[in-house]
Order: sequence, then structure tokens, then C-alpha cells
Amino acid sequence: AQSVTQLDSQVPVFEEAPVELRCNYSSSVSVYLFWYVQYPNQGLQLLLKYLSGSTLVKGINGFEAEFNKSQTSFHLRKPSVHISDTAEYFCAARGRSQGNLIFGKGTKLSVKP
Amino acid sequence: NAGVMQNPRHLVRRRGQEARLRCSPMKGHSHVYWYRQLPEEGLKFMVYLQKENIIDESGMPKERFSAEFPKEGPSILRIQQVVRGDSAAYFCASSSFGGPDEKLFFGSGTQLSVL
Repeated sequence: AQSVTQLDSQVPVFEEAPVELRCNYSSSVSVYLFWYVQYPNQGLQLLLKYLSGSTLVKGINGFEAEFNKSQTSFHLRKPSVHISDTAEYFCAARGRSQGNLIFGKGTKLSVKP
Repeated sequence: NAGVMQNPRHLVRRRGQEARLRCSPMKGHSHVYWYRQLPEEGLKFMVYLQKENIIDESGMPKERFSAEFPKEGPSILRIQQVVRGDSAAYFCASSSFGGPDEKLFFGSGTQLSVL
């Protein structure tokens, strides 16, 4: 069975500081990995995804994530955050033959001026 | 091209009533997924449907919950005899061919409140 763990429920940072949101997954099979962002009162939007190939994936809004197979991690990073990045971020995994996404519990990123 | 449309945005029901949540997928999408989000929890998969077929309902409670995606019209998630524990945000997502590497497009959700 697959599971996704987001180690931090809340991450407060100051504007222009770097941020890392942690995600670990467990799976007995190869998976596809995703990061989604949810702004208040909105649905989820895809930030980036890892399917195969290069382990460093670049997404929208300056975010990137690195797939680390040995550590079963897929941490999300941004070198300099903006107030507008305040949102909840969800890591998700999907088996290569499976239809549904398995989500982590989410990390609330709060960017302060 | 409109995105995934869910309605209503907010739904208030008393215990024992029925709740019907609607989801119109993006144009050209024939795969629909329903997720439930409880406070301080991530999204939990409920059901995956294609037109007129339920593909995977492993996340759906066995009683009171049902889902359909007819040939014409939106997908409907139906909750009978609602209880307070059903209060949650329900999100619908759609995709065009249901591949595991495919991006899902999410609606803005329906917030169900059971009094």
C-alpha cells in the first residue's frame, strides 16, 4: 500500500526567505509524485510532477522538487518566497497502474512580510 | 474552456436529510474522481468514475454514499441520511484519459455542513 507523509503541518517564513516543504512516500511499487497547491476557497492546482528522468523537477511559480529514491522523499523548495505563496501545499503519489492519487495531510505555508 | 465546475459551493443539511453534490468535468474529460477533505486532513480518495461506469470505489463508505456519472450530465455524489461526521469539503477532479501520470484538474469544492 502507498502512503504519503508530510512532516510539517505548518511552515511560517518571512518574505524572500527560502523554504522547503518535506514529503516522504512509501510504496512497494514505482510511483509518480506530485505537488499541488490550494489557495483559500479554491480547488487544487498542480505545481509540478515527477514521472521519470531527471530527479530535479521544476514547476510553476518558481517552485522545484527533488526526487530522492534512496530516501523516498520528494521535498518541495523555493529559493525566495512571496506573500502570494501563502497557501496549503499537498504532496501526492500515484502508482503506475493505479487511477487515484494518495495525498499527504498538507502543509500550510504562511509567508509574513 | 471552463474548468471543473462544482455546485453548490456551500450546502447545509440537517441530520437525516440527503445531500447531492454535482460535478461537471472539463470539456472533453471523461474521467471523474471524488475526494473528501476533513479539517486538518489531506484529501481522501472516494471514488473514480468514467462515463456510466464506476472504476474504483474503494474509498467510498459502504452505506449511505453513492456516485454516478451518466452519459449525459454531471457526476453526482449522493449522501443519504447525512450525519455530522459527513461535514467536509468534497472535491471533484477530472482528466481526459485517466492515465496515472496525467494531471488532474480540480473543482473549487462543495463545503457540506450538517447541522
